[in-house]
Amino acid sequence: DAGVIQSPRHEVTEMGQEVTLRCKPISGHNSLFWYRQTMMRGLELLIYFNNNVPIDDSGMPEDRFSAKMPNASFSTLKIQPSEPRDSAVYFCASSLISKETQYFGPGTRLLVL
Amino acid sequence: KQEVTQIPAALSVPEGENLVLNCSFTDSAIYNLQWFRQDPGKGLTSLLLIQSSQREQTSGRLNASLDKSSGRSTLYIAASQPGDSATYLCAVFRTGFQKLVFGTGTRLLVSP
Repeated sequence: DAGVIQSPRHEVTEMGQEVTLRCKPISGHNSLFWYRQTMMRGLELLIYFNNNVPIDDSGMPEDRFSAKMPNASFSTLKIQPSEPRDSAVYFCASSLISKETQYFGPGTRLLVL
Repeated sequence: KQEVTQIPAALSVPEGENLVLNCSFTDSAIYNLQWFRQDPGKGLTSLLLIQSSQREQTSGRLNASLDKSSGRSTLYIAASQPGDSATYLCAVFRTGFQKLVFGTGTRLLVSP
């Protein structure tokens, strides 16, 4: 299996621009997680889906952040408008609902200037 | 609110040493604990998972223990190698829930 796939791997944008991060989970997995990692706050869960349905979005920092999962093989995390403090590494992870181990993608390194 | 702390924040050892990484959490009720490894520029890889009903797990040179009464877990790495150099993260989660709460991480450097 190719593992969790994220794109782009690196993104540099200017403040105010829209940013869309993409994730393809491992085939057959029915849970998908979006995390953000910064030096100051460490690794934090933003939102997760079970069977394409958002279960817990309490970690989404502001209304500028939104996430969708239109089907079992694709999810997006969108930031609109982006701000410099959104600069971080964003990870996507997937798992089976019945299993506890989450498999992480390589992450997207976002820099907002 | 669950808080997870890892000590030390960074550790540098010569190859061959045995070492211990520590993880402490504030709410120990029915929590499971997982240890991850993160290499620079890469995602996380799961190393060991300890269920709330277990006290330890072993995989090769790695041994992780869980003491819920004290809210602590340790990751023991035997005969360390340069390839063990990475950041090690612990995470706790409640049985039946999928939300991981991560620790602050320990950055390990093993010198040849």
